[in-house]
Amino acid sequence: SQQGEEDPQALSIQEGENATMNCSYKTSINNLQWYRQNSGRGLVHLILIRSNEREKHSGRLRVTLDTSKKSSSLLITASRAADTASYFCATDYGGSQGNLIFGKGTKLSVKP
Amino acid sequence: EAQVTQNPRYLITVTGKKLTVTCSQNMNHEYMSWYRQDPGLGLRQIYYSMNVEVTDKGDVPEGYKVSRKEKRNFPLILESPSPNQTSLYFCASSRGGFTAEQYFGPGTRLTVT
Repeated sequence: SQQGEEDPQALSIQEGENATMNCSYKTSINNLQWYRQNSGRGLVHLILIRSNEREKHSGRLRVTLDTSKKSSSLLITASRAADTASYFCATDYGGSQGNLIFGKGTKLSVKP
Repeated sequence: EAQVTQNPRYLITVTGKKLTVTCSQNMNHEYMSWYRQDPGLGLRQIYYSMNVEVTDKGDVPEGYKVSRKEKRNFPLILESPSPNQTSLYFCASSRGGFTAEQYFGPGTRLTVT
C-alpha cells in the first residue's frame, strides 16, 4: 500500500523557473524524506523533515510539512537542466512498522 | 568512500534458476533493506533487516529470501525466479533505522525469461 503520493506525476519547466512537487500521506509520521533519482540509477537523499518541523531548507531546496493536512511540498528554485530527475517522498508509519514507504514519484523535466 | 554496492548490476536469467543478488555496505549501518522498482508502481520494499540475524518482510516479500549473517552484507535470494520478478532492484542501508536517511546502491536490473 502506498503511504505517500506525489503530485503531479510529471512536470515540465524551463531552466530558471521554480518547480513545486507535492506529497500526501495517510497516517501519522515521524519523519518525511525526499529523494531524487536520475534515470535508472540509485536514489539520493535530499532532505529529511521531522514531524515537529514546518519548513526546512537546503541550498535551492525548500521543503514544507503540514501534518494537519498530511502533506509536504518540495520546491526547487531557479531550476537547472541538471535537476531533471524523478523525485520521491518517503514516509514511515509513525514508527509502528519497520519499513519506509515511497510514493510513485514526480518526473521533473527541466528544459534548457 | 562510503557506499552501498550491488552485484551483479545486470542479470538475464531463465525461470526457475536460483540466483542471488549481493549487497554490501561499508558504513557499519545496522539497517538494510531491499526494494524493487517497477513502472507505475514506484519503489516497494521487499525485506528489511534491523541488525544481524534480524529480518522482516516488507510489502512484497513473496518469492524472495534474505539473510543477514554479517552486518555489512544483505543478499537477496530468488529461489525460483519467475517473469513477474523482472524488475530493477535496489539495496539500501541506514545508520538510524528506517526513519533516517537511506543510502542506496546503484541498482540491479533483473530480467527473467
